[in-house]
Amino acid sequence: DGGITQSPKYLFRKEGQNVTLSCEQNLNHDAMYWYRQDPGQGLRLIYYSQIVNDFQKGDIAEGYSVSREKKESFPLTVTSAQKNPTAFYLCASRTGGPNTGELFFGEGSRLTVL
Amino acid sequence: GEDVEQSLFLSVREGDSSVINCTYTDSSSTYLYWYKQEPGAGLQLLTYIFSNMDMKQDQRLTVLLNKKDKHLSLRIADTQTGDSAIYFCAESFSGGYNKLIFGAGTRLAVHP
Repeated sequence: DGGITQSPKYLFRKEGQNVTLSCEQNLNHDAMYWYRQDPGQGLRLIYYSQIVNDFQKGDIAEGYSVSREKKESFPLTVTSAQKNPTAFYLCASRTGGPNTGELFFGEGSRLTVL
Repeated sequence: GEDVEQSLFLSVREGDSSVINCTYTDSSSTYLYWYKQEPGAGLQLLTYIFSNMDMKQDQRLTVLLNKKDKHLSLRIADTQTGDSAIYFCAESFSGGYNKLIFGAGTRLAVHP
């Protein structure tokens, strides 16, 4: 079945450590996104990529990094520079083109900093 | 600026209708969306409406769009316990790239 797979589902990290969240899609979508979700807040865009080898910062990119070496994969690294990394992280993809196509979401990764 | 606002909570009795409201700011949004999130899961698209429409109905769901007031609503008829979830309104950002702006989500609680 086509879809988006995020891993791990739960992750614990000690302060000062970098962690990488995986996002893989087999939908052949050009665009991929990382959102952060905090209680009582909407989804906030961290990074997005419209094509392979290209990505742009979203609204809250500080303390995060991404890569897009393959169309299927868009991993997110939460670095030690991110001041408040405990959150629920959602990866999404959609077909290309402006203002078209639904976003397909993964099941999310919950990161907790101890 | 870009902003989508929703009330945070709604409680309804099983069998009643639920109405979730949303206001948005980008008058040039092409599409407006409603997503549903169940506990611990990602978001799933429920329905969407194109900006040149006033209403869209899909089984128990009715979307109303008032473009003049930038107001969007989602009505769920005959609300069931399985409808308990967080509902997100989103607008397509017209700023030249492919981006959705989400509201904070409305938590719908359905009680017997």
